[in-house]
Amino acid sequence: SQELEQSPQSLIVQEGKNLTINCTSSKTLYGLYWYKQKYGEGLIFLMMLQKGGEEKSHEKITAKLDEKKQQSSLHITASQPSHAGIYLCGALSPKGAGSYQLTFGKGTKLSVIP
Amino acid sequence: NAGVTQTPKFQVLKTGQSMTLQCAQDMNHEYMSWYRQDPGMGLRLIHYSVGAGITDQGEVPNGYNVSRSTTEDFPLRLLSAAPSQTSVYFCASRRGTGDTQYFGPGTRLTVL
Repeated sequence: SQELEQSPQSLIVQEGKNLTINCTSSKTLYGLYWYKQKYGEGLIFLMMLQKGGEEKSHEKITAKLDEKKQQSSLHITASQPSHAGIYLCGALSPKGAGSYQLTFGKGTKLSVIP
Repeated sequence: NAGVTQTPKFQVLKTGQSMTLQCAQDMNHEYMSWYRQDPGMGLRLIHYSVGAGITDQGEVPNGYNVSRSTTEDFPLRLLSAAPSQTSVYFCASRRGTGDTQYFGPGTRLTVL
């Protein structure tokens, strides 16, 4: 089965600093999703990447997909306390009957110090 | 649209009890899934469905049953609750393979 490794596991940054979270897959990536989760709450969809070299941005968050390396990175510019939470990457894995299901990494816990 | 809804939000069970976690979506999505989230383990897929009448097992299906009689609903049944099933359960849905997957708010289950 596909395994996703996220690094780092946790991160503490000063407000205003830039940071990067990585997600590496053990198998071919068919689609890579990024979610954010605040403690005790549900998952908020951030971005989805499907093609090698694809890059998407939303406000101060940019995600890139390196298909050859089977890796995605999430970059936050000028971090704010509102960016704090757990970031999860999920990848589409082929399952039975030709379907693809999302499997997830263990998450990266981000704390932003004012 | 209400999106993906889950009930209850919190539940405490005794070992051996059974219960059903409810999940519904009003977006006419074909794909629905159940995950559990445990500290240090991330999200793990329990069961999934690609349409009404079609279900299949995920990574951790033991102790759980599902059925999909309608497009909207995808209940998860715990047959005989065990302390190892203490977790936060999330239901999710999406239209198709490459579409956004939306998550419900979760059910926090404790088994004593």
